[in-house]
Amino acid sequence: DAGITQSPRYKITETGRQVTLMCHQTWSHSYMFWYRQDLGHGLRLIYYSAAADITDKGEVPDGYVVSRSKTENFPLTLESATRSQTSVYFCASSAFMVREVEAFFGQGTRLTVV
Amino acid sequence: GDSVTQMEGPVTLSEEAFLTINCTYTATGYPSLFWYVQYPGEGLQLLLKATKADDKGSNKGFEATYRKETTSFHLEKGSVQVSDSAVYFCALRTGGGNKLTFGTGTQLKVEL
Repeated sequence: DAGITQSPRYKITETGRQVTLMCHQTWSHSYMFWYRQDLGHGLRLIYYSAAADITDKGEVPDGYVVSRSKTENFPLTLESATRSQTSVYFCASSAFMVREVEAFFGQGTRLTVV
Repeated sequence: GDSVTQMEGPVTLSEEAFLTINCTYTATGYPSLFWYVQYPGEGLQLLLKATKADDKGSNKGFEATYRKETTSFHLEKGSVQVSDSAVYFCALRTGGGNKLTFGTGTQLKVEL
């Protein structure tokens, strides 16, 4: 199916574990983003990527690692999960990075760190 | 830096009531403005957008007008339905490769 998909939808992990959230899009969009959604903060940008092998930090990158070896995939890794990383994570993609172009969002991954 | 301020929620309305969700922004440059909606358990989807001053975005009975003089982009709907219950996010994007900046979201609950 065309679109942007995230996996898993729900994940519970323990403090200190490494966990990877997956994001896949079928549109061949150049730009991909990772946001986290927390009550009172809205969505905050973690990392984004302009193309394969090009990534850059967003507003809250600490504790996260990303890679983009293929245009369609943009995994987000928490190297050593902490309770403060309990959140809902959204991946998004956009064809261009110009101001009038919308971003398309996945359904989100709810991550709980215990 | 860029920022978006939305009214605090939750907003609870009866069906067929008039809805306004306030949104004001601060931006360097000349932003495009967006309203996204998030239904329970789902990701965000674009509701409407406006790319220049005095533009009106509209979709599904919702409207918002880009007011540069008041730096606002308030969301309105004349008659809400139970199915409009969701979280609404105001967002902006400026040119030059910048990211989308979101407000904190406003939860809307519509009751029969």
